[in-house]
Amino acid sequence: GAGVSQSPRYKVAKRGQDVALRCDPISGHVSLFWYQQALGQGPEFLTYFQNEAQLDKSGLPSDRFFAERPEGSVSTLKIQRTQQEDSAVYLCASSLTPGQGPYEQYFGPGTRLTVT
Amino acid sequence: SQQGEEDPQALSIQEGENATMNCSYKTSINNLQWYRQNSGRGLVHLILIRSNEREKHSGRLRVTLDTSKKSSSLLITASRAADTASYFCATDPPDNFNKFYFGSGTKLNVKP
Repeated sequence: GAGVSQSPRYKVAKRGQDVALRCDPISGHVSLFWYQQALGQGPEFLTYFQNEAQLDKSGLPSDRFFAERPEGSVSTLKIQRTQQEDSAVYLCASSLTPGQGPYEQYFGPGTRLTVT
Repeated sequence: SQQGEEDPQALSIQEGENATMNCSYKTSINNLQWYRQNSGRGLVHLILIRSNEREKHSGRLRVTLDTSKKSSSLLITASRAADTASYFCATDPPDNFNKFYFGSGTKLNVKP
């Protein structure tokens, strides 16, 4: 079956532009996660959805970052007025079980955002 | 800020040799997982070890966990060129198993 897909794979934005990054999770996966990975670093948690509910957004670095999952499947991460420090790979992951862990997260290939 | 730190940052070995990577973390955990990331690809889950386990095996992988030292190690035996990748440990805290904290990774290069 298909894994987690993300689009676009690469995005170049001029500073100040708004961008929207899309994530298609594995069908039937209840939980969806967004991570930010800077060059040479590990992923850092941004936000988490269970179905359409955003249960944790503590990792979003500023109010310029906004995520939604209106129908409990596809999710969009929006960054307004992009800054150079937003340049990173944005990873999406999904998992099946919303209840008691532990469980595995399945990651997409990521969107590499470069802000010039 | 990241919870974990892998050591070494980079490791270069010959095919057939064993590779050992270490992960240290700062706070209590529920579970610790290891992921692999190939260049240009997403992370792939390798193995999970619970906080009440000390050792786990999966194929050529062996993971140990020492909660008293807040550290874990990943051993890859009989390495192959295809094992070339970055390896990350990820922990989840007792009060929020949805929130993974990743380390900074070990970059492994296996020379054919």
